[in-house]
Amino acid sequence: DVVMTQSPLSLPVSLGQPASISCRSSQSLVYSDGNTYLNWFQQRPGQSPRRLIYKVSNRDSGVPDRFSGSGSGTDFTLKISRVEAEDVGVYYCMQGTHWPPTFGQGTKVEIK
Amino acid sequence: EVQLLESGGGLVQPGGSLRLSCAASGFTFSSYAMSWVRQAPGKGLEWVSGISASGDSTYYADSVKGRFTISRDNSKNTLYLQMNSLRAEDTAVYYCAKDSESFIGVGAITFDYWGQGTLVTVSS
Repeated sequence: DVVMTQSPLSLPVSLGQPASISCRSSQSLVYSDGNTYLNWFQQRPGQSPRRLIYKVSNRDSGVPDRFSGSGSGTDFTLKISRVEAEDVGVYYCMQGTHWPPTFGQGTKVEIK
Repeated sequence: EVQLLESGGGLVQPGGSLRLSCAASGFTFSSYAMSWVRQAPGKGLEWVSGISASGDSTYYADSVKGRFTISRDNSKNTLYLQMNSLRAEDTAVYYCAKDSESFIGVGAITFDYWGQGTLVTVSS
């Protein structure tokens, strides 16, 4: 199975400051159709996961534009340009290129 | 609005069985593959099982293969997970998740909608 490694695992951030989460895969995530199926999910405390980003950099409907995804191959990043209180939670990357789908360990974002 | 509503969780003894359901609405259920993803208390997300839109292809994580069975009833817009021979390590919140494609097992996977989850506790 493809191993997804996130860093850091804990990220204290001051309100209004930027945040960045790294996600690395053990194999290239480029699929045979040319797309890269790297997703980012947000899980707020007590809630179910919510998809934020799909195919590396596409934001889901309703996701604030302070969230952005980038990367290629095996190296990906989720950035929050200015952290707000509602962004507290755990963020997971997930690869869907190779079967079975696998998740990173999660990065806990908290307000400093 | 897409809605996924899980039910059927609860407390069960080791070796026991449980059947989870996921009622779907707000989209054409029969057109999309579906999966179950679980989260042990305080832990991360683990894909458990998936099924194609038609129901003719099913897949399982090695940790549950031979013990769990995924199925769907497209006439009732409902996804199921039959869990047998349950172990303490199966204790988790179980989420159903919708894929954006009809097929499964070959990649190109993304889970665009998730349910609220149902808690399964395996303990004596």
